[in-house]
Amino acid sequence: QVQLVESGGGLVKPGGSLRLSCAASGFSFSDYYMSWIRQAPGKGLEWVSYISTTGNTIYYADSVKGRFTISRDNAKNSLYLQMNSLRAEDTAVYYCARGAKSLDVWGQGTTVTVSS
Amino acid sequence: DIQMTQSPSSVSASVGDRVTITCRASQGSIRWLAWYQQKPGKAPKLLIYAASTLQSGVPSRFSGSGSGTDFTLTISSLQPEDFATYYCQQADSFPFTFGPGTKVDIK
Repeated sequence: QVQLVESGGGLVKPGGSLRLSCAASGFSFSDYYMSWIRQAPGKGLEWVSYISTTGNTIYYADSVKGRFTISRDNAKNSLYLQMNSLRAEDTAVYYCARGAKSLDVWGQGTTVTVSS
Repeated sequence: DIQMTQSPSSVSASVGDRVTITCRASQGSIRWLAWYQQKPGKAPKLLIYAASTLQSGVPSRFSGSGSGTDFTLTISSLQPEDFATYYCQQADSFPFTFGPGTKVDIK
């Protein structure tokens, strides 16, 4: 079945780095734009980034621009989010989702906690 | 950036009630407006896209309408599984933005 599975979350100190991964299965990954969305504890949804099918078009939220890098490996059916210079306000559940303008498949999320 | 607002922020309703949630954009004439449902501890689920198109597999009691800056999500007859938080999102211009959410709980 169509599935997205995130991994790579954890506890990291302020200023540290993490790389999130999202493994896709059950559909032709290379045919779809992909996105990252996050949700801080007890808060609403925040769009983070999206990447086109080939990786040629990428957008970021201002809150992460210059610190986060989205990428994909179509041969491995995988989406990534490299997160550098992490701050306390980056603490959230990070979801990968299929699509750009409408997000029709979501992963279960991976938790990132930034704390000293 | 386009700011999205939703009203009400929460609503208490009973099974069988008709529930209407409003979403308003701060600017522009939005074409790509989506609605998502999220239950506690779960990922969001796409309900409606392009303002009024029902996502495959979503019950027909959910409907979306609106244009420009004002949009509505309607649940025609609330079911027990519909108690959740609902978010609108615009995808017309970057950064894509979500509304703050509307929590539908049991009266």
